[in-house]
Amino acid sequence: NAGVTQTPKFQVLKTGQSMTLQCAQDMNHNSMYWYRQDPGMGLRLIYYSASEGTTDKGEVPNGYNVSRLNKREFSLRLESAAPSQTSVYFCASSERLAGNTGELFFGEGSRLTVL
Amino acid sequence: QQQVKQSPQSLIVQKGGISIINCAYENTAFDYFPWYQQFPGKGPALLIAIRPDVSEKKEGRFTISFNKSAKQFSLHIMDSQPGDSATYFCAASGRGTGRRALTFGSGTRLQVQP
Repeated sequence: NAGVTQTPKFQVLKTGQSMTLQCAQDMNHNSMYWYRQDPGMGLRLIYYSASEGTTDKGEVPNGYNVSRLNKREFSLRLESAAPSQTSVYFCASSERLAGNTGELFFGEGSRLTVL
Repeated sequence: QQQVKQSPQSLIVQKGGISIINCAYENTAFDYFPWYQQFPGKGPALLIAIRPDVSEKKEGRFTISFNKSAKQFSLHIMDSQPGDSATYFCAASGRGTGRRALTFGSGTRLQVQP
């Protein structure tokens, strides 16, 4: 039972390069999320998908795009990476929207460095 | 705009002592307050949660205390153990957020010394 799987775990990019972070969950959850974690700032919501076929912006969406490929998979794309996007990215899923007391299940994170 | 303020940023406690982490919120529409625990190299995981209809919730050595009038809630870890060393995040959600997702505090790094 893998839970939430993120790839890659580590990535180094040059400014202006693009990349996609992949996320898959095997718990048949409806909702999925992308957070970024920065020192002293906690976890900030980038985008979320309440259910298959829907996506919505979170607190810090600028510079990112997402795709809910199917119920299992939710990807995060950086079209033109900037040093300010250096961070640890976490994908999470929940049976229902977390604001409705749905427990979040997180992946182990993807550490991205933009030079 | 930080809707959930968490303190302290870091905390060192001796084994067997009590660890206390505090959070304050501004949005009176918040009505769900979970705490998440994160070990190094791992994602956060739900530890304990409370709704404002009770003032305290206890699960083993972990207790949430909630003060609705002061808009504050805290996590108490009794008989702290080295295995409790982790980063702890408080969070909140409610009608004001459209019930879409959790708003997290900035985190507290707890170190329990043997």
